[in-house]
Amino acid sequence: DIQLTQSPSTLSASVGDRVTITCRASQRISSWLAWYQQKPGKAPKLLIYDASSLESGVPSRFSGSGSGTEFTLTISSLQPDDFATYYCQHYKSYSLWTFGQGTKVEIK
Amino acid sequence: QVQLQESGPGLVKPSETLSLTCTVSGGSISRYYWSWIRQPAGKGLEWIGRIYTTGSTNYNPSLKSRVTMSVDTSKNQFSLKLRSVTAADMAVYYCARGSSSPIGDYFHPWGQGTLVTVSS
Repeated sequence: DIQLTQSPSTLSASVGDRVTITCRASQRISSWLAWYQQKPGKAPKLLIYDASSLESGVPSRFSGSGSGTEFTLTISSLQPDDFATYYCQHYKSYSLWTFGQGTKVEIK
Repeated sequence: QVQLQESGPGLVKPSETLSLTCTVSGGSISRYYWSWIRQPAGKGLEWIGRIYTTGSTNYNPSLKSRVTMSVDTSKNQFSLKLRSVTAADMAVYYCARGSSSPIGDYFHPWGQGTLVTVSS
């Protein structure tokens, strides 16, 4: 199975900060990677797919980059609504699709 | 827009079968892959499996021996059965729409999730 490792596990930041979350894959997955935001008691929400494509309706302060084994999710200016847990997920064909362990973005 | 809603018993006895249904509204169930994903309390996400509208399925190998998925296009619904449940199967279960491609899925939208407790 392809393992996804996110770092950091927890991130403390302030409103207005630039935030970067990393997702490393144990094998090359091209650009078959998505990012989700999850708030307590709610379902995950798709932010980014194909590593860098912004889902419709998602604010442009969110961006994704990377390919192969290393990927990043960046929030250019953290807003109060962005405090949540973020997950990466790979969807490489003929593989078990897995999620990273999550990164919790907390208020500093 | 497309909305998904999970339904089914919130309490299942150990060794029995968990049965959930996802109803799709606001769009057709046809020509997409539909997945089940679960999340134990305080933990991460685990993909359980997916079904296409033809009935073709792909399952997580770790659950494959206990999982059956089905689809009813006339009702715009798809279902999950997980046999021989244990406490390890307690989780919030989500249904979600995948892509129309067999290659691979990201998930959007998701249902709100339903908590399944395993207890006698």
